[in-house]
Amino acid sequence: AQKVTQAQTEISVVEKEDVTLDCVYETRDTTYYLFWYKQPPSGELVFLIRRNSFDEQNEISGRYSWNFQKSTSSFNFTITASQVVDSAVYFCAPMDTGRRALTFGSGTRLQVQP
Amino acid sequence: DAGVTQSPTHLIKTRGQQVTLRCSPKSGHDTVSWYQQALGQGPQFIFQYYEEEERQRGNFPDRFSGHQFPNYSSELNVNALLLGDSALYLCASSRTGTASEQYFGPGTRLTVT
Repeated sequence: AQKVTQAQTEISVVEKEDVTLDCVYETRDTTYYLFWYKQPPSGELVFLIRRNSFDEQNEISGRYSWNFQKSTSSFNFTITASQVVDSAVYFCAPMDTGRRALTFGSGTRLQVQP
Repeated sequence: DAGVTQSPTHLIKTRGQQVTLRCSPKSGHDTVSWYQQALGQGPQFIFQYYEEEERQRGNFPDRFSGHQFPNYSSELNVNALLLGDSALYLCASSRTGTASEQYFGPGTRLTVT
């Protein structure tokens, strides 16, 4: 059975610090997709990034960067120069090939202090 | 370009009653998925509709049912409400295809008393 783990329950940083959110996805499937969503206090889930398990290249998109280590099934999501507006709950959500449903982790609450 | 919309925003029901939640997908999207999010937890997949049929279902009882209309909008029905059904119900729309991004609506907060 698939298992997604976000071990960090809550992280607090000061504005302009870099912050990394961890996600581990255990599955027997060799091909899958992983999504990151942000849920601010308003409650609406916002799509951030989608990556494929077969693409090990790290990627940068604006202040967001992405590090995937296939050997440990670990997906790290980094926000550079954090801002107060980044305060939210961040969810890692894998999707196996052939399925169309997202499996959400328990989320990491990020608090960015001014 | 309107995003995903859901109605109502909030709803209070009594145990044993039935409820219907509504969702309109983002323009250009033909697939609708429903998720339940209990307080302090990640969303859990209920089911997905495409071409007016339930295409995939999560681990939810038959009390949860749905429908998709020809204009791609969707309804979620819950019968015989339990206290444990109190949650935020999220609708997500996407284009059909492998691992398409799902875009979420603001949700309907259901409280069962």
